[in-house]
Amino acid sequence: GQQLNQSPQSMFIQEGEDVSMNCTSSSIFNTWLWYKQEPGEGPVLLIALYKAGELTSNGRLTAQFGITRKDSFLNISASIPSDVGIYFCAGQVHTGKLIFGQGTTLQVKP
Amino acid sequence: DTEVTQTPKHLVMGMTNKKSLKCEQHMGHRAMYWYKQKAKKPPELMFVYSYEKLSINESVPSRFSPECPNSSLLNLHLHALQPEDSALYLCASSRGGAMEQYFGPGTRLTVT
Repeated sequence: GQQLNQSPQSMFIQEGEDVSMNCTSSSIFNTWLWYKQEPGEGPVLLIALYKAGELTSNGRLTAQFGITRKDSFLNISASIPSDVGIYFCAGQVHTGKLIFGQGTTLQVKP
Repeated sequence: DTEVTQTPKHLVMGMTNKKSLKCEQHMGHRAMYWYKQKAKKPPELMFVYSYEKLSINESVPSRFSPECPNSSLLNLHLHALQPEDSALYLCASSRGGAMEQYFGPGTRLTVT
């Protein structure tokens, strides 16, 4: 079946540092979504990408839909303590089904 | 407004109990979803409703029974669950089947 490889699995960084994480797949997706999940809460949509090559920003977050439609990355600039959480990428197929990556756990040291 | 609400927030039930989880959205979304999530794992799709009709059942055991009474509401009826069914149950909705999904806060279910 379709799988996403998300890396890194975890990151422990200093406040103020930039962060980069990515997802790759052997399958093509129509849409790439990035979510953040904090303990005890549901995933919150950060960025949605619809076109190959698309680069989208949301505040300190920037994400890109890979030109091959098989990958995406998320960058966080100037990290702050409230960026802590698990970040999931998700590729969406034409039926609407989401295929999730395994998540990147981010910890930020003040 | 991108709010999906879920009740209850926490639920503890015995293996012989019958309970229901509820989900509501008022964004006019036409697709609604149930996911199961274990700790530190990604959400796993269980069911999809599109225009109030069940469109996807990911081979979920019959002890989980979904219901979509109208376009704003989604229920998950639980009966004779097993301890391994303990998890965070998430509801999500989207404008259409291939649009971005918005998640609720989840119901933390513990089966004793």
